[in-house]
Amino acid sequence: DVKVTQSSRYLVKRTGEKVFLECVQDMDHENMFWYRQDPGLGLRLIYFSYDVKMKEKGDIPEGYSVSREKKERFSLILESASTNQTSMYLCASSFGRQGRKNEQFFGPGTRLTVL
Amino acid sequence: AQKITQTQPGMFVQEKEAVTLDCTYDTSDQSYGLFWYKQPSSGEMIFLIYQGSYDEQNATEGRYSLNFQKARKSANLVISASQLGDSAMYFCAMRDAILQAGTALIFGKGTTLSVSS
Repeated sequence: DVKVTQSSRYLVKRTGEKVFLECVQDMDHENMFWYRQDPGLGLRLIYFSYDVKMKEKGDIPEGYSVSREKKERFSLILESASTNQTSMYLCASSFGRQGRKNEQFFGPGTRLTVL
Repeated sequence: AQKITQTQPGMFVQEKEAVTLDCTYDTSDQSYGLFWYKQPSSGEMIFLIYQGSYDEQNATEGRYSLNFQKARKSANLVISASQLGDSAMYFCAMRDAILQAGTALIFGKGTTLSVSS
């Protein structure tokens, strides 16, 4: 079974702190994604990566950065956390095969609260 | 711009009945894929079903089927014989330019399905 794990299920941080959210997948997927989910807004893409050290901005990259030094690991970084970044963060991964469905497999999510 | 619209914030259905969750999409690409995911209260996102834009038949996976109407740009999910465990949030999503390897999903805002006994 594909497994996508996230470092924490729940996290509480203070405004201004630097926050690291880690995601690891064990299926040798090329693509990895970070989304945030807010009530009434669905899932919105923050960043994705299609290869090691490669990244693309999604719809809402402001206030976030990412790092992918190894194929299996994709980190989301909040340089200076703010209260409006309180949200559920979901990591996902998929194969990068051309012309295939390449469904995304999701981790369990991290519910981040910024006080 | 690509867009997914789910117009039903909430749906209610009795056990063993069928239910249709609506999804319309907008894209200018000819090659795209449509996905449905289920999110129970536990939070994990579960992939349910996929329809490619060039697939001639509607996709089916067990009790799930996708009513794909390309001209109307709709991709409704049909759940037959609803079960209590089907109570969850359901998201429609699209990935266009599927001939390229590194493209992301665009999600709708979701529909909450409640199944009662």
